Amino acid sequence: RKEVEQDPGPFNVPEGATVAFNCTYSNSASQSFFWYRQDCRKEPKLLMSVYSSGNEDGRFTAQLNRASQYISLLIRDSKLSDSATYLCVVNNFNKFYFGSGTKLNVKP
Amino acid sequence: GAGVSQSPSNKVTEKGKDVELRCDPISGHTALYWYRQRLGQGLEFLIYFQGNSAPDKSGLPSDRFSAERTGESVSTLTIQRTQQEDSAVYLCASSFFRSGMGNEQFFGPGTRLTVL
Repeated sequence: RKEVEQDPGPFNVPEGATVAFNCTYSNSASQSFFWYRQDCRKEPKLLMSVYSSGNEDGRFTAQLNRASQYISLLIRDSKLSDSATYLCVVNNFNKFYFGSGTKLNVKP
Repeated sequence: GAGVSQSPSNKVTEKGKDVELRCDPISGHTALYWYRQRLGQGLEFLIYFQGNSAPDKSGLPSDRFSAERTGESVSTLTIQRTQQEDSAVYLCASSFFRSGMGNEQFFGPGTRLTVL
């Protein structure tokens, strides 16, 4: 079983739509959680950390459900520039486990 | 401030040659990570350093791969006798070494290795 699993997509949505991604992780002892964004042929960039209480940054909301071992990312009012691959990342004792990514295409 | 830098940005080599890839982490980051990403694939963990020590080398694909870090700063990933399947982007990331929050990784732009 993979440490981190994500739906690869692609999710094809129109501009302005709300889209949500989920990610599950296998190790209940995992300590910290992140969403990264990766554009084609670029390095991953930190989008946001995910806190136990949930957190919001503009149009982006991240939530953590430790009991069910999943993390979610909600994007409201999608922009064309949100098109990218979104990576779910879980940290356990300073080793980072990456999901394979969920591809988002926002269309005009 | 300066981010993670990697050199070279691109490397084309012939099968059987050795290559060295360099990573300069963010100043003060005690943890440093190497990943490999093949075209259209996810990130594959190779090795990480805590200071100058590598507690986990489990991701190195074979004994042709080695890495070192000096001065709790720059790291070098060496691939000996390169094979075509080594062609990939090699990404370096650094972070503070701490448990819980505040240990986000920051990535360099990667080295794109092509083995002919």
